[in-house]
Amino acid sequence: GAVVSQHPSRVICKSGTSVKIECRSLDFQATTMFWYRQFPKQSLMLMATSNEGSKATYEQGVEKDKFLINHASLTLSTLTVTSAHPEDSSFYICSARAVAGSEEQYFGPGTRLTVT
Amino acid sequence: KNEVEQSPQNLTAQEGEFITINCSYSVGISALHWLQQHPGGGIVSLFMLSSGKKKHGRLIATINIQEKHSSLHITASHPRDSAVYICAARIQGAQKLVFGQGTRLTINP
Repeated sequence: GAVVSQHPSRVICKSGTSVKIECRSLDFQATTMFWYRQFPKQSLMLMATSNEGSKATYEQGVEKDKFLINHASLTLSTLTVTSAHPEDSSFYICSARAVAGSEEQYFGPGTRLTVT
Repeated sequence: KNEVEQSPQNLTAQEGEFITINCSYSVGISALHWLQQHPGGGIVSLFMLSSGKKKHGRLIATINIQEKHSSLHITASHPRDSAVYICAARIQGAQKLVFGQGTRLTINP
């Protein structure tokens, strides 16, 4: 099946610094990418949806200036957590859809962010 | 009430047992996904269904569009099947998935 990778898989950073997480579709072109956040023992919470070449659409309550999303190419989307705080510590997962109208959606392995 | 509901929330069984996890939804959907997540791990997509039934190894997924219900079955369960199983529905006309709460499955040897 199609593969989505994320880098890094784990990152620890200090409060106030920014962290970038990359999401790549390895063997297909992703017209739409989704960024999720998952707290322990909870389900995935959609943060934003990004379509290649256009601005991301953020879900209610998600600060777009804090969680910067760039979907500059059909195989790469990045999530930058700016001025990170301990409460941003979480598991971040990206997901990608291949073509508009396709129901197939592939998930990345996730990135565990710890802010100290 | 969530648009997508799963049951049970937790399920413990002995190795070899037949497992069923249920997912009900209250809105029109274009597709339903079954996902697996191991502790501390990423999400693996098991099935995507829009009708009927799919089988992959010991896993079987069915969906009844009229009844707005889907089931995931595991035959001859094994401890390595222990994971959280999540159903997620794509609402008609929408891009995003709506997730169930997940079912935590533990298979004891």
